[in-house]
Amino acid sequence: EAQVTQNPRYLITVTGKKLTVTCSQNMNHEYMSWYRQDPGLGLRQIYYSMNVEVTDKGDVPEGYKVSRKEKRNFPLILESPSPNQTSLYFCASGPYRGYTEAFFGQGTRLTVV
Amino acid sequence: DQQVKQNSPSLSVQEGRISILNCDYTNSMFDYFLWYKKYPAEGPTFLISISSIKDKNEDGRFTVFLNKSAKHLSLHIVPSQPGDSAVYFCAASGTDSWGKLQFGAGTQVVVTP
Repeated sequence: EAQVTQNPRYLITVTGKKLTVTCSQNMNHEYMSWYRQDPGLGLRQIYYSMNVEVTDKGDVPEGYKVSRKEKRNFPLILESPSPNQTSLYFCASGPYRGYTEAFFGQGTRLTVV
Repeated sequence: DQQVKQNSPSLSVQEGRISILNCDYTNSMFDYFLWYKKYPAEGPTFLISISSIKDKNEDGRFTVFLNKSAKHLSLHIVPSQPGDSAVYFCAASGTDSWGKLQFGAGTQVVVTP
């Protein structure tokens, strides 16, 4: 089954404690991206990657890091989480050429206290 | 500054009637537009898209209209069904920002019997 898998689905952490949210896709997609969803703001892009070792900032990259060492994985790293990073996070992947739509994971609900 | 705007946070429609969702954008470089549907506790799923070379695209009960001069697009759902109750996001991408997808804030659609 074609899917984008995020882990964990839910996470409560404390301010400053480094965390990683994993994202994996099994569709051999070149494009992957991270979004956060906040009430009234829709989805805002954090980082995206057009291929292995190629990443770029989205609209809200501050406080986040990503890496793309393998095609299937695109982890999101919060080196020092703060309460304003409490949000619902989605990973997405899509084909590079003729980019049409993105396939989204089920989301990670992160709470930073 | 949001470049994609969905000014109606909610829409209630009777089953069998037409649902019309609106979306406005400000960036004239956007050339590809997408609609996503999102149920609670799930990731967004792709619904329908339209390229700027077209002004209409149909897929079953869903039709997207694009008015480039007005920088406006709309999604029509005919007839509306209870399973259509969800949040709908409009999104856009452009040749000047390949890989960056801009989302609107979403419209909650409730289809009543």
